[in-house]
Amino acid sequence: GENVEQHPSTLSVQEGDSAVIKCTYSDSASNYFPWYKQELGKRPQLIIDIRSNVGEKKDQRIAVTLNKTAKHFSLHITETQPEDSAVYFCAKDLNYGQNFVFGPGTRLSVLP
Amino acid sequence: DTAVSQTPKYLVTQMGNDKSIKCEQNLGHDTMYWYKQDSKKFLKIMFSYNNKELIINETVPNRFSPKSPDKAHLNLHINSLELGDSAVYFCASSLGGNQPQHFGDGTRLSIL
Repeated sequence: GENVEQHPSTLSVQEGDSAVIKCTYSDSASNYFPWYKQELGKRPQLIIDIRSNVGEKKDQRIAVTLNKTAKHFSLHITETQPEDSAVYFCAKDLNYGQNFVFGPGTRLSVLP
Repeated sequence: DTAVSQTPKYLVTQMGNDKSIKCEQNLGHDTMYWYKQDSKKFLKIMFSYNNKELIINETVPNRFSPKSPDKAHLNLHINSLELGDSAVYFCASSLGGNQPQHFGDGTRLSIL
């Protein structure tokens, strides 16, 4: 079946530094690429998403880039803060949004 | 004001029992989902429903039977529980395919 690879699996950065998480996929029919943040013991929450007709989207300290030709998309967090520490999941749709596949997650630790 | 609420939050039961998890959303969304998150934090879609109709059944054993009495509810009944069913089960909803998903707080199912 369709998989999404996500790297790195763990990431530690100093407070104030940037963090980048990258996801790659193989199915070229996908059009919607959301990113979710899951804090320990909590539910996943959407932090940003991008659609296939856009190459980049930014929301304050968070940005997402999409390269449909190379089939990868990345999450960029700038000026990281301790409260950014969480597991981040990339995801993509299948069958025009009827189905979704998630990456295995990246555990981000922001060290004060 | 909880947008997607699922009950119970915790479920501890013995192998072989039958149990149900309820999910309700008050967002007016047409699409609802069930996800399973295992101990390694992998998030995998189980079912998706659109306006009470089953859209996706991701090779889930037929011991798992979702029921959608109306588009605001998607309940999950599990028969003959097995040890491998231990996980956190998340309900989610969205306006439709390729739209942001809102997750419930999860139900932690533990099989003894």
